[in-house]
Amino acid sequence: AQSVTQPDIHITVSEGASLELRCNYSYGATPYLFWYVQSPGQGLQLLLKYFSGDTLVQGIKGFEAEFKRSQSSFNLRKPSVHWSDAAEYFCAVGAGGTASKLTFGTGTRLQVTL
Amino acid sequence: NAGVTQTPKFQVLKTGQSMTLQCAQDMNHEYMSWYRQDPGMGLRLIHYSVGAGITDQGEVPNGYNVSRSTTEDFPLRLLSAAPSQTSVYFCASSRTSGGENNEQFFGPGTRLTVL
Repeated sequence: AQSVTQPDIHITVSEGASLELRCNYSYGATPYLFWYVQSPGQGLQLLLKYFSGDTLVQGIKGFEAEFKRSQSSFNLRKPSVHWSDAAEYFCAVGAGGTASKLTFGTGTRLQVTL
Repeated sequence: NAGVTQTPKFQVLKTGQSMTLQCAQDMNHEYMSWYRQDPGMGLRLIHYSVGAGITDQGEVPNGYNVSRSTTEDFPLRLLSAAPSQTSVYFCASSRTSGGENNEQFFGPGTRLTVL
């Protein structure tokens, strides 16, 4: 069975600083990987996804993620964080190489200080 | 398009009561699913459906029933609510269950408290 680990429960960064959120997955084949963002009291919004091809994936709101098969990682990055990026971020892997039956990590809460 | 809609937004139940969480999508998506979100545990899959008339269990199906009579609707039923079912419930849909360049769209959630 697949699994996802987000080792950082809570991260605080200053506005304008760079950000990297870690995600490690366990899956036997090439995974379908996703990053979602959840603002307080809201549903989940897809930031970006990786299915195949270029291992550096660009998403919305200036986010990017890099798939590293050798490290089983799919870390999320942003060069300069804005106060509006404060939210909870979830990494997920799709079962059976699909976008459905997602297995989520436990999430990383991002706090942005001004 | 309204996307994925869920009702109600909030609900308080007493132990043993039953209720149905409603989920609808207007994107003609084949695949629909229900997740629950608990603090420190991320989202976990309860049930899913790959099309009208077809449903299957996810990771945590106990205590929940589903049916899919139409493409648009995928209600989640709690037959006898328990405090352990206190959670935030999310419905999601995607164009199909597989294939590349596919993604799940999530509803706004239903916050359920069982006393």
